[in-house]
Amino acid sequence: AQKITQTQPGMFVQEKEAVTLDCTYDTSDPSYGLFWYKQPSSGEMIFLIYQGSYDQQNATEGRYSLNFQKARKSANLVISASQLGDSAMYFCAMRGQIKAAGNKLTFGGGTRVLVKP
Amino acid sequence: GAVVSQHPSWVICKSGTSVKIECRSLDFQATTMFWYRQFPKQSLMLMATSNEGSKATYEQGVEKDKFLINHASLTLSTLTVTSAHPEDSSFYICSVIGTSGRTETQYFGPGTRLLVL
Repeated sequence: AQKITQTQPGMFVQEKEAVTLDCTYDTSDPSYGLFWYKQPSSGEMIFLIYQGSYDQQNATEGRYSLNFQKARKSANLVISASQLGDSAMYFCAMRGQIKAAGNKLTFGGGTRVLVKP
Repeated sequence: GAVVSQHPSWVICKSGTSVKIECRSLDFQATTMFWYRQFPKQSLMLMATSNEGSKATYEQGVEKDKFLINHASLTLSTLTVTSAHPEDSSFYICSVIGTSGRTETQYFGPGTRLLVL
């Protein structure tokens, strides 16, 4: 079974500063994928960034970077230069890469981020 | 990526009625779609995996006779909440598997908010 834990229910961040959202996971799969999604108040889920368990480098996508520490089973999201539009819920998710798992995602409980002007 | 639509975006119904929610993949053919439910201030919970031309696979604890899923074409999956009750009030969101670069990920529709009175 897979489990995702996000220990920060909510965070404030000052505009233009960086923020780190914590995510730890547990899995018995030998290979897996880790995702971060953003959910604004409108409800849509927006894909942000992906990290494969065997990727040698930490993933980056624009202002988003993933601090992947495999031994610690953590995949923290770093948002640099926060903008007001970054205010949203953020979900960490995991997928086992074994095809029999059907590409199902397991989500963490989420972290609400509020960017202050 | 993938473009996914859902209809309706909002629905209010009386207890005991059935409600149908449509999920459409607009820009490619999706053999697999996923249906999630999200209660306020909670994470997404996978309800079922919808497979084109075959029966859906339901997660443990999800009543298949209560939540009917039909994936009759490669671009359309429907979720019917039968004999809806107030406890079925929730945010229902579907997803399809798409590709971002070399990564397979899930792309989500905008969601449907259901309120059962």
